[in-house]
Amino acid sequence: QQQVKQSPQSLIVQKGGISIINCAYENTAFDYFPWYQQFPGKGPALLIAIRPDVSEKKEGRFTISFNKSAKQFSLHIMDSQPGDSATYFCAATPAGGQNFVFGPGTRLSVLP
Amino acid sequence: NAGVMQNPRHLVRRRGQEARLRCSPMKGHSHVYWYRQLPEEGLKFMVYLQKENIIDESGMPKERFSAEFPKEGPSILRIQQVVRGDSAAYFCASSLYHRGDNEKLFFGSGTQLSVL
Repeated sequence: QQQVKQSPQSLIVQKGGISIINCAYENTAFDYFPWYQQFPGKGPALLIAIRPDVSEKKEGRFTISFNKSAKQFSLHIMDSQPGDSATYFCAATPAGGQNFVFGPGTRLSVLP
Repeated sequence: NAGVMQNPRHLVRRRGQEARLRCSPMKGHSHVYWYRQLPEEGLKFMVYLQKENIIDESGMPKERFSAEFPKEGPSILRIQQVVRGDSAAYFCASSLYHRGDNEKLFFGSGTQLSVL
């Protein structure tokens, strides 16, 4: 029940296209859902995050869509750029929880 | 304002040796988390510490692994009698608040442990 599922495992998108990564969870106690971006040899960096009281959050080219009833959330990268090529992790943590549960990651490659 | 500093970046140990991984959180951060990442896998929570206290070690193997965050100095993740299965990237993260409205985890660049 602590698991966060993530798909696809890898994704190839042409420059200018839309990248979509999906995550699903079981634990209804989760109340904070961040996305992290990781470049090779670096630690993950927070990209964008959402709480269940909103269905969508947008920051620049990055948008999180959240479906509370389906217990799913997704990351959309508009106008994908080669510099977006990285591994993306979704995560979740419950209210008052003390650790973040991460998905297995999606390796995104944006072709020039 | 330096970020989360981890050292060493790479650590090579032979089976049976001890590994010590160090993490200095961001300035002003008093919450430290350790995660382990295996190739092609996500980050697995190991332990959450505040100064001088272990708050949650539910992800830590019961044997050979220990962590501390002393009043002064960096947080240390210690692995005794390492085995090949311990080879992984170990990431430290810190946060200013725990479960605040804008809690953010700031990660270091990790320590890649290789056990020969």
